[in-house]
Amino acid sequence: DVVMTQSPLSLPVTLGQPASISCRSSQSLVHSDGNTYLNWFQQRPGQSPRRLIYMVSHRDSGVPDRFSGSGSGTNFTLKISRVEAEDVGVFYCMQTTHWPPFTFGPGTKVDIK
Amino acid sequence: EVQLVESGGGLVQPGGSLRLSCAASGFTFTKFWMSWVRQAPGKGLEWVANINEHGTEMRYVDSVKGRFTISRDNAKNSIYLQMNSLRAEDTAVYYCTKGNWGDNWGQGTLVTVSS
Repeated sequence: DVVMTQSPLSLPVTLGQPASISCRSSQSLVHSDGNTYLNWFQQRPGQSPRRLIYMVSHRDSGVPDRFSGSGSGTNFTLKISRVEAEDVGVFYCMQTTHWPPFTFGPGTKVDIK
Repeated sequence: EVQLVESGGGLVQPGGSLRLSCAASGFTFTKFWMSWVRQAPGKGLEWVANINEHGTEMRYVDSVKGRFTISRDNAKNSIYLQMNSLRAEDTAVYYCTKGNWGDNWGQGTLVTVSS
């Protein structure tokens, strides 16, 4: 199984400042079709997860453009250009290249300093 | 608008069974794989199982193989998760998701396995 790791696991942030979360996989997430299937999710307190980014860098409809995804191979990053209060929650990366099973990272808890 | 509504959760004793349902709307159900993902209390996300568009291919995480069965009824735009031989470690909120990439999620249904 592909093991996903994230860092940091806890990220206190200042409103209006940038934030960055790292996600690493135990093997390359490049699929035989040439695509890389790495997704990012946000789970606000008390809510279901919602996808923010798919295939490394494609932002979902309705997701603010302050969220961006990048990376390749085994190293990926989710960046928030300017953190807003509504960004508080837990962020997960998930790989869907090598399955079963699909695997998630442990999550990064973002809160306001 | 995509809607996924789970039901069927509850309290069950170890070794017992439960059947979860997920009613889908707002998209062409027959064109998508569907998945179940769970989240133990205070923990992270774990993919459990998925099923293809026709209900002919199913995949499971190792920890539920032989105990859980995913199925779908395309006439009812629904998927199901039959859970047998439940264990305390199966206690979680179970989410239904559209597709294999977590496109959309339901609100979840809580399963508690306890005596």
